[in-house]
Amino acid sequence: DVKVTQSSRYLVKRTGEKVFLECVQDMDHENMFWYRQDPGLGLRLIYFSYDVKMKEKGDIPEGYSVSREKKERFSLILESASTNQTSMYLCASSFRGVGNQPQHFGDGTRLSIL
Amino acid sequence: AQSVTQLGSHVSVSEGALVLLRCNYSSSVPPYLFWYVQYPNQGLQLLLKYTSAATLVKGINGFEAEFKKSETSFHLTKPSAHMSDAAEYFCAVSDSAGGTSYGKLTFGQGTILTVHP
Repeated sequence: DVKVTQSSRYLVKRTGEKVFLECVQDMDHENMFWYRQDPGLGLRLIYFSYDVKMKEKGDIPEGYSVSREKKERFSLILESASTNQTSMYLCASSFRGVGNQPQHFGDGTRLSIL
Repeated sequence: AQSVTQLGSHVSVSEGALVLLRCNYSSSVPPYLFWYVQYPNQGLQLLLKYTSAATLVKGINGFEAEFKKSETSFHLTKPSAHMSDAAEYFCAVSDSAGGTSYGKLTFGQGTILTVHP
């Protein structure tokens, strides 16, 4: 089975801190994604990566950056955390294909910014 | 651009009743479609996918979905609801079909399914 592991289930940080969320997948997937999930808004794509050191902005990249130095690891960085970034963050990965490959998700990190 | 609309943010059924969760999509190309389920405090789990083979797709836990091109729909059904089906369900459409894809999905807003005893 595909395993997508997010480093923390729950995280509490303070306003202005630099926050790192880590995600690791064990299936040699080319594509990796970061979403945030808020009630009533569904999943919104922050950034994605289709190869090592490659990244593309999603729908809501402001206030975030990402890093992909190794194929299996995709990190989300909150440069200066703010209270409106309190949310559930989900990481996902998939094979490169023609759009028919499902994404596989981690269990999420519930981040609170105080 | 692709989009997905899930009709009904909340659906409530009795145990043993039919489950019907509605999804309509908009796509400029023949789509690839997915249904995911999310249990409390967990990530999303793939239920089933449509990738242009059979129009009736069977998934896990007794769920199935039918692709209807004329109605641009991909509704999720289960003949008999179980208490363990209570969760949030998401429909998603792929960013492309047949061409090079980054694997991006556009998700609907989600439907919370409640099952009453």
